[in-house]
Amino acid sequence: DQQVKQNSPSLSVQEGRISILNCDYTNSMFDYFLWYKKYPAEGPTFLISISSIKDKNEDGRFTVFLNKSAKHLSLHIVPSQPGDSAVYFCAAMANYGQNFVFGPGTRLSVLP
Amino acid sequence: DAMVIQNPRYQVTQFGKPVTLSCSQTLNHNVMYWYQQKSSQAPKLLFHYYDKDFNNEADTPDNFQSRRPNTSFCFLDIRSPGLGDAAMYLCATSTLDGSYNEQFFGPGTRLTVL
Repeated sequence: DQQVKQNSPSLSVQEGRISILNCDYTNSMFDYFLWYKKYPAEGPTFLISISSIKDKNEDGRFTVFLNKSAKHLSLHIVPSQPGDSAVYFCAAMANYGQNFVFGPGTRLSVLP
Repeated sequence: DAMVIQNPRYQVTQFGKPVTLSCSQTLNHNVMYWYQQKSSQAPKLLFHYYDKDFNNEADTPDNFQSRRPNTSFCFLDIRSPGLGDAAMYLCATSTLDGSYNEQFFGPGTRLTVL
């Protein structure tokens, strides 16, 4: 039973446009959410996070939105660049816990 | 640069032949994790160490063991690899200090079982 879902396995976006990656979760105990980016042959790298006390967190071109009532979060990348092409994983944790639960990832392709 | 290092990057073993994967860190983090990731799937946590305390996930097969001789090093031992154990194995570290902290990942070891 997947607690963190990323229902789009892949997404293609034109360079300069907005990329929106979605993530849904089922466990209402989750209170901290992270996005990781993974290039081929490399480990995931942390991108941005958000606590459940917020509904938006922004870092440069990257913004994460959290809708607690819908148990949904999204990552917006504006403007998208070819170097953003990677697999993006959504992750969640609860109560300062030691463990994350990861989603299956969305492969983003930014076309020049 | 402080980092998480995994060796080897690629490992080939034979069915049933024990194999050990290595992870080291220069971040001085107190938590180290091992994940298994198969193609197009989420990284699956196998176990983690909080300092010397070992925490096994309930569904991690007995075939998988781990050792953490000191803060810097952690090993994943697969006692009798099966074809289904072929995957990317990711090591990660984190600090557990009562606040939210991200995990830092190594580049992974891709295991092939022949």
